Amino acid sequence: SQKIEQNSEALNIQEGKTATLTCNYTNYSPAYLQWYRQDPGRGPVFLLLIRENEKEKRKERLKVTFDTTLKQSLFHITASQPADSATYLCALDPYYGNNRLAFGKGNQVVVIP
Amino acid sequence: EPEVTQTPSHQVTQMGQEVILRCVPISNHLYFYWYRQILGQKVEFLVSFYNNEISEKSEIFDDQFSVERPDGSNFTLKIRSTKLEDSAMYFCASSDPAQITDSPLHFGNGTRLTVT
Repeated sequence: SQKIEQNSEALNIQEGKTATLTCNYTNYSPAYLQWYRQDPGRGPVFLLLIRENEKEKRKERLKVTFDTTLKQSLFHITASQPADSATYLCALDPYYGNNRLAFGKGNQVVVIP
Repeated sequence: EPEVTQTPSHQVTQMGQEVILRCVPISNHLYFYWYRQILGQKVEFLVSFYNNEISEKSEIFDDQFSVERPDGSNFTLKIRSTKLEDSAMYFCASSDPAQITDSPLHFGNGTRLTVT
């Protein structure tokens, strides 16, 4: 069956350190993968998109990698700040090349001052 | 920055009643979506809409659900006869017309639907 797996345990990290989150998927061949941030009671907010032919993407303190052989994406927040505390969602297109997204359950990050 | 707005923020209804959830997508976007998130669960795709018709729908989006763009700005989701299991946060989203695929979704802050 198709699965998108993110760590269900919250990641507690000291301010200033790098947070690394993992998204693993099985039985998908996505054209791209997206990462969103979700705060409690709010809608997801888009952060980064990486395409299948891209290995790495950066935006300010965020970095995403995409390994289609391992079927895995890593999401890094460098120099983490308390304001980065949120749940981070991985999403991909289960039907190649359209915008119908399948989401992982999300991984909570707590940045400790 | 333009945003997707949803009303109401919270809707309580009795089982069997009809509800209409409303959304105003970003004005120059042409692709519209509804997703839902049951408490503690993942965000799930319901339906996508383009050029005044449904592009795709999931198995969740059965005959009890319908969508409409009644005018140039609003996008609605109707649930004809609500069930307890319809209780969830419903998110509207829209995406940029310049990119048909792999375009980021812009989500509203959702309507929390509680069916009693």
